Amino acid sequence: KAGVTQTPRYLIKTRGQQVTLSCSPISGHRSVSWYQQTPGQGLQFLFEYFSETQRNKGNFPGRFSGRQFSNSRSEMNVSTLELGDSALYLCASSLDGGVLEYFGPGTRLLVL
Amino acid sequence: GNSVTQMEGPVTLSEEAFLTINCTYTATGYPSLFWYVQYPGEGLQLLLKATKADDKGSNKGFEATYRKETTSFHLEKGSVQVSDSAVYFCALSPTSGGTSYGKLTFGQGTILTVHP
Repeated sequence: KAGVTQTPRYLIKTRGQQVTLSCSPISGHRSVSWYQQTPGQGLQFLFEYFSETQRNKGNFPGRFSGRQFSNSRSEMNVSTLELGDSALYLCASSLDGGVLEYFGPGTRLLVL
Repeated sequence: GNSVTQMEGPVTLSEEAFLTINCTYTATGYPSLFWYVQYPGEGLQLLLKATKADDKGSNKGFEATYRKETTSFHLEKGSVQVSDSAVYFCALSPTSGGTSYGKLTFGQGTILTVHP
């Protein structure tokens, strides 16, 4: 059974650009959660999607958005990138919003 | 709000030593508690969990007991191996109708290095 996959694994962008990250959950899982990991702030919850609806949201500005497709794959978008958005972005999936057992390997975003 | 505090790291041990990583939390209600492990270059994996007071989670020789009276969930292992070298995260989720909606509050993480 394939795990949570994320693409791309690495990205370099410049300030002001936008970026889209993708997450494919474990087969059969309908909930996808996104987290930002930085050395200073640690792991912070971004949002959670279930059946194409955002069900929960963390304390991030509106530049951070996401969506989920009918096949449960999820994308997150960051517009008008800032240097502080440089981070490892992790996603995790679960059947229905329960325990998060596995996270993907993450997408490492560097904003120059 | 909810918060999780882990002991400062990094922790360096010799193989077969006893491991304790302290974790305390602040939360309203009755949260569920977790330990996650992150190996180099990989995503987080759930190591163990406990959903109510006095529950003991265990996996791969690691244990942690949910202590509501001291709001703690310390991770222990009796004999560490070099392969246990990783970053360990304590986390909590609020209980809400049985699901947390994927929202976890994490501690800062503790880097563990085990030498042969």
